[in-house]
Amino acid sequence: DTGVSQNPRHKITKRGQNVTFRCDPISEHNRLYWYRQTLGQGPEFLTYFQNEAQLEKSRLLSDRFSAERPKGSFSTLEIQRTEQGDSAMYLCASSFGGADTQYFGPGTRLTVL
Amino acid sequence: EDQVTQSPEALRLQEGESSSLNCSYTVSGLRGLFWYRQDPGKGPEFLFTLYSAGEEKEKERLKATLTKKESFLHITAPKPEDSATYLCAVLSNQGGKLIFGQGTELSVKP
Repeated sequence: DTGVSQNPRHKITKRGQNVTFRCDPISEHNRLYWYRQTLGQGPEFLTYFQNEAQLEKSRLLSDRFSAERPKGSFSTLEIQRTEQGDSAMYLCASSFGGADTQYFGPGTRLTVL
Repeated sequence: EDQVTQSPEALRLQEGESSSLNCSYTVSGLRGLFWYRQDPGKGPEFLFTLYSAGEEKEKERLKATLTKKESFLHITAPKPEDSATYLCAVLSNQGGKLIFGQGTELSVKP
């Protein structure tokens, strides 16, 4: 099964440190999305790519957050100078072209101490 | 502003006790409405996509329906393994992002 994969699955860091997460989408999916989910809430959109192009960014994505998809395959999400409020589950999803169904990965749980 | 509201926030059922979950939405041009299931500590698992009012989709004990303002997820004779959080999301004609509701946490007791 070649579903969406995310690494690491868990990350514990100290406030002020930088962290980077990786997402590998389903093979041949050209769209890749990042969402953030806090306890008891639904996922909130952060950003998405079509191939290498970043097409939309949420206002939630402050200057400390940056996402890349350099070759149109995997993507990275970096958070600089982490804050306790960044603690959440970071979810990645992918979809194929005009098909709108987004398939999610297992998520990366971030805890900022 | 696009918005999704789910009710109830939590639902406790006895095994075999059928019920429905509600998803009310406002969106500037609906491209699709999605239902996902999420188990604790895991990513959402896709269940259904509905595109137009009157459409229905079924999978095992689950049936999703859609009107112009809301969607229902009907659960018939649920089993304990159906316990999970059920998420509803909408996709508008304007972009690729999903707008999610806060979810309904379903617990089915034997």
